[in-house]
Amino acid sequence: GDSVTQMEGPVTLSEEAFLTINCTYTATGYPSLFWYVQYPGEGLQLLLKATKADDKGSNKGFEATYRKETTSFHLEKGSVQVSDSAVYFCALSDSGANNLFFGTGTRLTVIP
Amino acid sequence: DAGVIQSPRHEVTEMGQEVTLRCKPISGHDYLFWYRQTMMRGLELLIYFNNNVPIDDSGMPEDRFSAKMPNASFSTLKIQPSEPRDSAVYFCASSLGIGQGVFYEQYFGPGTRLTVT
Repeated sequence: GDSVTQMEGPVTLSEEAFLTINCTYTATGYPSLFWYVQYPGEGLQLLLKATKADDKGSNKGFEATYRKETTSFHLEKGSVQVSDSAVYFCALSDSGANNLFFGTGTRLTVIP
Repeated sequence: DAGVIQSPRHEVTEMGQEVTLRCKPISGHDYLFWYRQTMMRGLELLIYFNNNVPIDDSGMPEDRFSAKMPNASFSTLKIQPSEPRDSAVYFCASSLGIGQGVFYEQYFGPGTRLTVT
């Protein structure tokens, strides 16, 4: 079945540090891949997406590249800010499927 | 647009009581989803509706859970009777559509934090 495995947290970084959150997936079809972000006290928001192999999704300085050969979709940001502190979820939607499969989430805390 | 609205934001109840969670989707969105988030199981899809009709309820944990969507602007998730293991954050989300090879973004509400003592 479809599943997503992402790096366990929590992750604590200093401001301006480089961020990587690993995500790998298992899917039977040709999935679309997503990163969602959940800020404290709020619902999930779509951060970026990629719908086919080698696509790169980007938003707010975050990037992730859809790697079919390694079944991965790692999230990166070159210089994190305190305002990036949140929980990040990797997710997939399989072709023909009607819902999202989420990873367990990774809590990021950025300290000044 | 106000986004997806959920109420209440927090609910504390005693075991055995009935709990009703409410959701107002974004106007014009044809799909509505209910999710549950726990530390142990992460984020799970419980049920989703298309044009007010339940399409897939395979994620509903047991008969104590029920969901309805009487009209396009309102949905409820009911737990009767509630148990401590139902304690979680329940999210409602809505989207314009879903389909093969096409992704329509799901917009999430702020969630209802349920505590059953």
